[in-house]
Amino acid sequence: EPEVTQTPSHQVTQMGQEVILRCVPISNHLYFYWYRQILGQKVEFLVSFYNNEISEKSEIFDDQFSVERPDGSNFTLKIRSTKLEDSAMYFCASSELGQTYGYTFGSGTRLTVV
Amino acid sequence: AQKITQTQPGMFVQEKEAVTLDCTYDTSDQSYGLFWYKQPSSGEMIFLIYQGSYDEQNATEGRYSLNFQKARKSANLVISASQLGDSAMYFCAIFRGYQKVTFGTGTKLQVIP
Repeated sequence: EPEVTQTPSHQVTQMGQEVILRCVPISNHLYFYWYRQILGQKVEFLVSFYNNEISEKSEIFDDQFSVERPDGSNFTLKIRSTKLEDSAMYFCASSELGQTYGYTFGSGTRLTVV
Repeated sequence: AQKITQTQPGMFVQEKEAVTLDCTYDTSDQSYGLFWYKQPSSGEMIFLIYQGSYDEQNATEGRYSLNFQKARKSANLVISASQLGDSAMYFCAIFRGYQKVTFGTGTKLQVIP
């Protein structure tokens, strides 16, 4: 069964450093998303991406965040200058065009900022 | 805006018993989808079951079934014959088409031997 792949599974970074989280969505999916889950809390939407541009973003997705689809297969989330409060689980997801059932989450990257 | 409410922060169930996890939702959309996900302590999100708003039959996937009551805007998850491996966080979620998924706060289920 097709799956969304996220790397790395766990990343530790120092406060103030830049970090890039990588995702490979399902190949025929056209919509891509990032979500965040701070430990013990609910999953929160960060950003959606379609046709090489951001289609929606939450108030969490401020100027320190950016997304990119650099090569037609990868979908990345960059955090420019990490803060302690960026420590969380980050989930990538993708969906087919107009298909309500085709929404698939990756297994997540656990980011720890020290 | 869409909203999910899970009123049970934690639940216990005896092994081999059935358990119902509650979920109510609020949306002004006519067409939407409802998910349940399981999140074990390792952190990944495991898809369990999906219900479309126009589906007339309640969704079932193995030991999981979704008790969908559209007029009451509820989408409760029923797990039959609980197993120790069912101990995890369970999230109810709603979305429409390609738009963002909105999650509830989750229910922590613990299965007692």
